[in-house]
Amino acid sequence: KQEVTQIPAALSVPEGENLVLNCSFTDSAIYNLQWFRQDPGKGLTSLLLIQSSQREQTSGRLNASLDKSSGRSTLYIAASQPGDSATYLCAVKGLYSGGGADGLTFGKGTHLIIQP
Amino acid sequence: EAGVVQSPRYKIIEKKQPVAFWCNPISGHNTLYWYLQNLGQGPELLIRYENEEAVDDSQLPKDRFSAERLKGVDSTLKIQPAELGDSAVYLCASSLTSYNEQFFGPGTRLTVL
Repeated sequence: KQEVTQIPAALSVPEGENLVLNCSFTDSAIYNLQWFRQDPGKGLTSLLLIQSSQREQTSGRLNASLDKSSGRSTLYIAASQPGDSATYLCAVKGLYSGGGADGLTFGKGTHLIIQP
Repeated sequence: EAGVVQSPRYKIIEKKQPVAFWCNPISGHNTLYWYLQNLGQGPELLIRYENEEAVDDSQLPKDRFSAERLKGVDSTLKIQPAELGDSAVYLCASSLTSYNEQFFGPGTRLTVL
C-alpha cells in the first residue's frame, strides 16, 4: 500500500527566505504527483501537477521536482511571503486501480508559517 | 469558470441522526471523488465515480455510508446513522478523467455530538 511522508511537519521562517518542502512515497509506480495548499477551514488548492515522465514543473515562485525512482519530490518556494502561510500537501496517483487506490494518496502535510 | 461546489459548508448533528452532503463538480468533468479528512491528516478516498458508475468504493463503510451520482453530474454522500467518529471534513473533487489534475471543493465540516 502506498504511503506518503512529508517532512518537516511544521516550518516557520522569516519573510523573504527560500524554502524547500519534502515529500517521499514508498511505491514508485505512480502516474503523477500533485502539490496542494490548504488554508485553515478551506478546501485544497492545486498548485502543481507533475506527470511521472517529468522531472519538474514551475509556476511563478513555485518549483516542484520529481525523482520517481527514489520516491521523492520537493516543492521549492522562492522569496516567501506571509500570504504563503498554509498547509502544503503532497499527493500521488498510483498506476494501479481498485482497493482504494483510485484516488490520490496524501501525506499529512507541512504546516508553513511565514513571519512578516 | 465555477469550481467544485459543495453544500452545506457546516453541519452539526446528534449521533444516530442521518446527514447528507451534496457536490456539484466542474462542468465536463467525468470523474468525481469523495474524500474524508480528519484533523491533522491528509484526505483519504471514500469513493470514485466515472460518470454515474461507482468504480472504486472499497473504502466506503457500506453499513452506514451510501453515495449516488445520478445522471453522472451531481453527487450526494449520505451517512445513516451518524456516529461520533464521523466528525471530519468531507471533500468532493473532480477531474476531466481519472488521470487528470483533481480540483477540490471547499468541503463540508461535520460535527457529530
